[in-house]
Amino acid sequence: DVKVTQSSRYLVKRTGEKVFLECVQDMDHENMFWYRQDPGLGLRLIYFSYDVKMKEKGDIPEGYSVSREKKERFSLILESASTNQTSMYLCASRGGGTDTQYFGPGTRLTVL
Amino acid sequence: DQQVKQNSPSLSVQEGRISILNCDYTNSMFDYFLWYKKYPAEGPTFLISISSIKDKNEDGRFTVFLNKSAKHLSLHIVPSQPGDSAVYFCAASANFGNEKLTFGTGTRLTIIP
Repeated sequence: DVKVTQSSRYLVKRTGEKVFLECVQDMDHENMFWYRQDPGLGLRLIYFSYDVKMKEKGDIPEGYSVSREKKERFSLILESASTNQTSMYLCASRGGGTDTQYFGPGTRLTVL
Repeated sequence: DQQVKQNSPSLSVQEGRISILNCDYTNSMFDYFLWYKKYPAEGPTFLISISSIKDKNEDGRFTVFLNKSAKHLSLHIVPSQPGDSAVYFCAASANFGNEKLTFGTGTRLTIIP
């Protein structure tokens, strides 16, 4: 069964803190994605990775970076959290030869 | 620029009736479309998809229709059940196997018992 897990369901951080969001998939998928979901804006792609150590900017990469040292793990980093980064963060993975992405449960991040 | 649009933020339907969720797109390069369903505090789950070489795809109570000339797709749920209450996102990709999906803003469907 497909499994994407995210390290935290809820997270509260202060402005200026460095924040790490972790995502792990057990499906040996090549592609992994980070989205944020905001009311009225749907899911917006922040970054994606199509292989270990490879990354591509999505539609809203500003203020974020990512790391993919192992195939199963994709980390989203907020170098200096700001209040406008308060959001639901969703990780997804996808195998080759399909467009279907499998999502984790999400991390609701609040930046105070 | 919103390339995938879901113009109805919410929809209420009586249990047992048909639910119709709509999605419009502007990018003519999109050739593969997906619908995802999302419950609160959970990640989206894949529901059904359609390739641009088809105009209809059916899976149980769920049917997706694609009108390429109008750049419009719709999801039909028949009959609607209380468990269908969720937010539905349509998504599109250009060139099958492309890494990126572009999502719409979502429609919250409420099924009234």
